[in-house]
Amino acid sequence: DTAVSQTPKYLVTQMGNDKSIKCEQNLGHDTMYWYKQDSKKFLKIMFSYNNKELIINETVPNRFSPKSPDKAHLNLHINSLELGDSAVYFCASSTRLAGAITDTQYFGPGTRLTVL
Amino acid sequence: AQSVTQLDSQVPVFEEAPVELRCNYSSSVSVYLFWYVQYPNQGLQLLLKYLSGSTLVKGINGFEAEFNKSQTSFHLRKPSVHISDTAEYFCAVSDYGSGYALNFGKGTSLLVTP
Repeated sequence: DTAVSQTPKYLVTQMGNDKSIKCEQNLGHDTMYWYKQDSKKFLKIMFSYNNKELIINETVPNRFSPKSPDKAHLNLHINSLELGDSAVYFCASSTRLAGAITDTQYFGPGTRLTVL
Repeated sequence: AQSVTQLDSQVPVFEEAPVELRCNYSSSVSVYLFWYVQYPNQGLQLLLKYLSGSTLVKGINGFEAEFNKSQTSFHLRKPSVHISDTAEYFCAVSDYGSGYALNFGKGTSLLVTP
């Protein structure tokens, strides 16, 4: 069984388009994240949701909008795509216990976004 | 604010040799420390983590790491590497101030050759 899944795995699109990446976890976790990995493989947190509420919103252009319809899903919508948005986007999930996260973050396989 | 420094961007090593991948962190509060591995074109997999307790942490695939608070280090070691250990290794730190999101180092590329 896939713990954290992302769709699509590859996404090639033109500048200016709007696209979405979907993430689902079947681990029963209550916290989900989006990370961006750039061409130099540097990973950086973008957003985090706990029980459908936004708890981390790093300095990310407002063209990026996360949406969490329920605890098992965290989607990432990107408007007006730019060349610099090309990267691999990873979704992750974990459990927050007693106000502190001690559980492992489980990562999805990633979505490679290429903007032409 | 916390940060993570992985001192080596690339580490070439021969098969069956020992290896150490270095990681230093800076944080003003108690932290949780992690090592993740990323095989080519795949997601990240947890190797091991330090939350509290014993400073020597054992993980999967024969890896271990030692938390050294005085030196603010969390170096990863394996006594004998295999070709299949070739991958990118990321050290990460999280704490309450970051909302427990992972703050990653820039990664160390381990290349194991025969």
